Amino acid sequence: DAGVIQSPRHEVTEMGQEVTLRCKPISGHDYLFWYRQTMMRGLELLIYFNNNVPIDDSGMPEDRFSAKMPNASFSTLKIQPSEPRDSAVYFCASARLSYNSPLHFGNGTRLTVT
Amino acid sequence: RKEVEQDPGPFNVPEGATVAFNCTYSNSASQSFFWYRQDCRKEPKLLMSVYSSGNEDGRFTAQLNRASQYISLLIRDSKLSDSATYLCAVRPGSGGSNYKLTFGKGTLLTVNP
Repeated sequence: DAGVIQSPRHEVTEMGQEVTLRCKPISGHDYLFWYRQTMMRGLELLIYFNNNVPIDDSGMPEDRFSAKMPNASFSTLKIQPSEPRDSAVYFCASARLSYNSPLHFGNGTRLTVT
Repeated sequence: RKEVEQDPGPFNVPEGATVAFNCTYSNSASQSFFWYRQDCRKEPKLLMSVYSSGNEDGRFTAQLNRASQYISLLIRDSKLSDSATYLCAVRPGSGGSNYKLTFGKGTLLTVNP
């Protein structure tokens, strides 16, 4: 089975540019999560969806961040405009609808904003 | 108090040693618990779920103490390949807004030859 697929693997951009991260969850999974990982703050939940509907976006840092899930097989996380402090590894993860189901992570996108 | 806290580490142990990690959580209503392993520059991968009665998978034993609100991971006969960061994760409940998984910051383990 294909796992969670994220693109791009690496993104280097200049401050002020728009960045779009993409994710394809595992087929049949009902939940999709976006996390950000830094050395200082660890793995932070940004937003998660259930059946394509955003459930909790309280972790989204500010209005510069937005996430969409137009269908069950695709989600995007957009940062506009990007800032150097957004540099981090962004992970997408998916899970089945069961309270004891673990998350399955994609390979992540390493974002560097200069 | 943070939602999920772990031993800060790092842990440096010789091969064959037994090492234990603890992780405390603040929400007494939490329902699901997991240990993840993350290798350098890789994604977290599920190591094992933690069940109420405790569970074992080979050299790895996970335990849950609801009264004291902590979970633990014990690694016996550690191998060089066990070197990684170990993350605990806690889910408050089932369904809706309680489905999110909160992670600890992780504990770095290095097993030395």
